[in-house]
Amino acid sequence: DSGVTQTPKHLITATGQRVTLRCSPRSGDLSVYWYQQSLDQGLQFLIQYYNGEERAKGNILERFSAQQFPDLHSELNLSSLELGDSALYFCASSVGGGGGQETQYFGPGTRLLVL
Amino acid sequence: ELKVEQNPLFLSMQEGKNYTIYCNYSTTSDRLYWYRQDPGKSLESLFVLLSNGAVKQEGRLMASLDTKARLSTLHITAAVHDLSATYFCAVASTSGTYKYIFGTGTRLKVLA
Repeated sequence: DSGVTQTPKHLITATGQRVTLRCSPRSGDLSVYWYQQSLDQGLQFLIQYYNGEERAKGNILERFSAQQFPDLHSELNLSSLELGDSALYFCASSVGGGGGQETQYFGPGTRLLVL
Repeated sequence: ELKVEQNPLFLSMQEGKNYTIYCNYSTTSDRLYWYRQDPGKSLESLFVLLSNGAVKQEGRLMASLDTKARLSTLHITAAVHDLSATYFCAVASTSGTYKYIFGTGTRLKVLA
């Protein structure tokens, strides 16, 4: 158990809908990262937040947005869902901003299926 | 184009044998990561490599980094069944839009 929690574990929804994925980092960790894993695209980095601020941005679609709240939990919002958004979404956390020897600890993931 | 290429994609090996997984990257980077993923599970961090010539070892796994060649290797010594998993390398890019770029993964199966 990495100490990173994600809810829900599974999500089934329809095209065009909007969903919110939630991530709680390990106690004391200030950074939260979001990743998408799919058969087509492999593992892709979406976005990183550090202490409430966006730190780095990856291959995140405009239909997706994220934020990190004062209690450091983070939410990933996916809107106007398409079939191709079906994937496993991981969040990870680290103590600092991600530099140096920092290790990222991954949550169990949310499996999203868009029908 | 920013690329991280791993090879082989699939590796089936006998217990007790040695093998190496290669990770080539095309971008400038200040960090290279190795992760393990068991089927249906999340990712587990194995190593973070920072500098040229860095070598790290944990049990039967040893990772190294050659920043000049933009190459990292993950060497498996005397493989055991428990090492069966998919291994990913990832680089923290210092150029372009994408911060962390993952390789395609190497699916390792160790046969008893």
